[in-house]
Amino acid sequence: DGGITQSPKYLFRKEGQNVTLSCEQNLNHDAMYWYRQDPGQGLRLIYYSQIVNDFQKGDIAEGYSVSREKKESFPLTVTSAQKNPTAFYLCASRQAGALETQYFGPGTRLLVL
Amino acid sequence: QQQVKQSPQSLIVQKGGISIINCAYENTAFDYFPWYQQFPGKGPALLIAIRPDVSEKKEGRFTISFNKSAKQFSLHIMDSQPGDSATYFCAASNGGGGNKLTFGTGTQLKVEL
Repeated sequence: DGGITQSPKYLFRKEGQNVTLSCEQNLNHDAMYWYRQDPGQGLRLIYYSQIVNDFQKGDIAEGYSVSREKKESFPLTVTSAQKNPTAFYLCASRQAGALETQYFGPGTRLLVL
Repeated sequence: QQQVKQSPQSLIVQKGGISIINCAYENTAFDYFPWYQQFPGKGPALLIAIRPDVSEKKEGRFTISFNKSAKQFSLHIMDSQPGDSATYFCAASNGGGGNKLTFGTGTQLKVEL
């Protein structure tokens, strides 16, 4: 079964805690992306990576960190510096090519205790 | 700066009717315009996409109309069905900019019997 998996489906964070969201794809896609979705605000780009061991900040990178050590994996860490982390987090991937579209995973909902 | 403006925010259509969602963009470097459909608690799924070299693209009941001079594009859903009830997002990307997607704020569509 090819696709993008995100885990966990729900994640709870305590104040001052760092949490890591997992994103794995077996589509052999080169590029991977992290978005944050809040009600009424659409999706906003946090970080993206076009190749292994390289990544760039998106529009709202503050309080987040990523790594891209393997082609199929792009974990996102929500640090304690992110003061409003409650949101729906979506991972996407894309095959290299000028107009290839992005395919999304099922998402992780992060809640603050 | 919101680069893709989407309207309406919500839409109610009778079964069998036509649903129309509009988007306008500012960045003339955008060269790819996808529409995504999202059901509650799920990741967005690609519905249909268009490039600026064509004015219309049709796939089944879904049609994108594109007006390059006005920097506007729209989604038409013909013969709308209750199963089409979802949130729809327009987006735009620039192939030379890492294919980062800029999303509209979404339209919540409800198709009533």
